[in-house]
Amino acid sequence: DIVMTQSPLSLPVTLGQPASISCRSSQSLVYSDGNIYLSWFHQRPGQSPRRLINKVSNRDSGVPDRFSGSGSGTDFTLKISRVEAEDVGVYYCMQATRTRRTFGQGTKVEIK
Amino acid sequence: EVQLVESGGGLVKPGGSLRLSCAASGFTFNTYSMHWVRQAPGKGLEWVSSINSLNTYMYYADSIKGRFTISRDNAKNSLYLQMNNLRVEDTGVYYCVRESGFDFWGQGTLVTVSS
Repeated sequence: DIVMTQSPLSLPVTLGQPASISCRSSQSLVYSDGNIYLSWFHQRPGQSPRRLINKVSNRDSGVPDRFSGSGSGTDFTLKISRVEAEDVGVYYCMQATRTRRTFGQGTKVEIK
Repeated sequence: EVQLVESGGGLVKPGGSLRLSCAASGFTFNTYSMHWVRQAPGKGLEWVSSINSLNTYMYYADSIKGRFTISRDNAKNSLYLQMNNLRVEDTGVYYCVRESGFDFWGQGTLVTVSS
């Protein structure tokens, strides 16, 4: 199985400041069709995860444009340009290139 | 509106069985692969199992292989997870998730395995 490694695992941030989360895969996530099936999810306490970004950089409907995804091959990044209070929670990356999906360990974002 | 509603969770002793259900609505269920994902208390997300739209291909995580069986009934717009020989480490919230990059998740159902 592909191992997904996130860093940092804890991220204290100041409101209005940028934040960045890294996700690395143990193997290339390029699928046979040329796409990279890497998604990012946000989970608030007591809620189900919500997808923010799919295929590395495509924001889902309703996701604020302060969220952006980038990367290629095995290295990916989620950036928040200016953190707002509602952004707290845990962020997960997930690969869907392989049939057996795998998630990163999660990065907990909290306000300083 | 897409909705996924899980049910069937509860408290069970080690070695026991449970059957989870997921009722889908708001989309053409029989055209999507579906997944189960679980989350142990205070822990991260773990993919458990998937099934294709035609009920012909099923995949399982190593941690549950041989004990859990995924199935679906497209006529009833329903997804299932039969869980046998449950272990304490199977405790957690189980989510039903639609393919298309995991774009929709249910609210989850809690499974507690404890003596």
